[in-house]
Amino acid sequence: QSVLTQPPSASGTPGQRVSISCSGSSSSLGSNTVNWYQHLPGAAPKILIYSNTQRPAGVPDRFSASKFGTSASLAISGLRSEDEADYYCAAWDDSLNGWVFGGGTKLTVL
Amino acid sequence: QITLRESGPTLVKPTQTLTLTCSFSGFSLTTSGVSVAWIRQPPGKALEWLASIYWDDDKSFNPSMKNRLAITKDTSKNQVVLTLTDMDPVDTATYYCARSLPSSGWYYGRYYFADWGQGTLVTVSS
Repeated sequence: QSVLTQPPSASGTPGQRVSISCSGSSSSLGSNTVNWYQHLPGAAPKILIYSNTQRPAGVPDRFSASKFGTSASLAISGLRSEDEADYYCAAWDDSLNGWVFGGGTKLTVL
Repeated sequence: QITLRESGPTLVKPTQTLTLTCSFSGFSLTTSGVSVAWIRQPPGKALEWLASIYWDDDKSFNPSMKNRLAITKDTSKNQVVLTLTDMDPVDTATYYCARSLPSSGWYYGRYYFADWGQGTLVTVSS
């Protein structure tokens, strides 16, 4: 069981907006920033959002994120077929003294 | 251009020690703030962080596996080596190395895994 909790699946049709939640604790999301990773089938994971809301260069602005207290959320607007992937949140946990990942959310574009 | 590549055995026997090498280019582990991490993903399961080593030789380990893990760096060769002792079939996974950077300051909680290697699948079986 992962320290960060994500829904196992999410889905949407092309053009729609979908959100993926990530729930943690006071020692993880409550104390540290959250990062989001996209893992396309057969590819290496890729940083999507870092420091709660920051997009690295090259990541489309269709991807956005927010964090409030011990919860965070990733939003994808204008959904495209190439967005079909697994999405993971991650944060440092001060109690465990290490990185923790969510269980991952498999996004299906219908 | 930042590249990372994992190398090592694809098959190990139970109780053996796994040694994986991350060879990287495009950055230096002598640069302040830079870190290299190892992360794994068992088939059909989530990502799991294993260990990180920092530019100043600081190290951090997954507490559930700390007694089995070691991580070292060779800055002259641009390599980071991970060893995992007493391998078990549950350790079957794709192992990734990643360059980690701080978004602000050098506190652990401000880092993120900025660039990843393609990963290497390690199977544990007799």
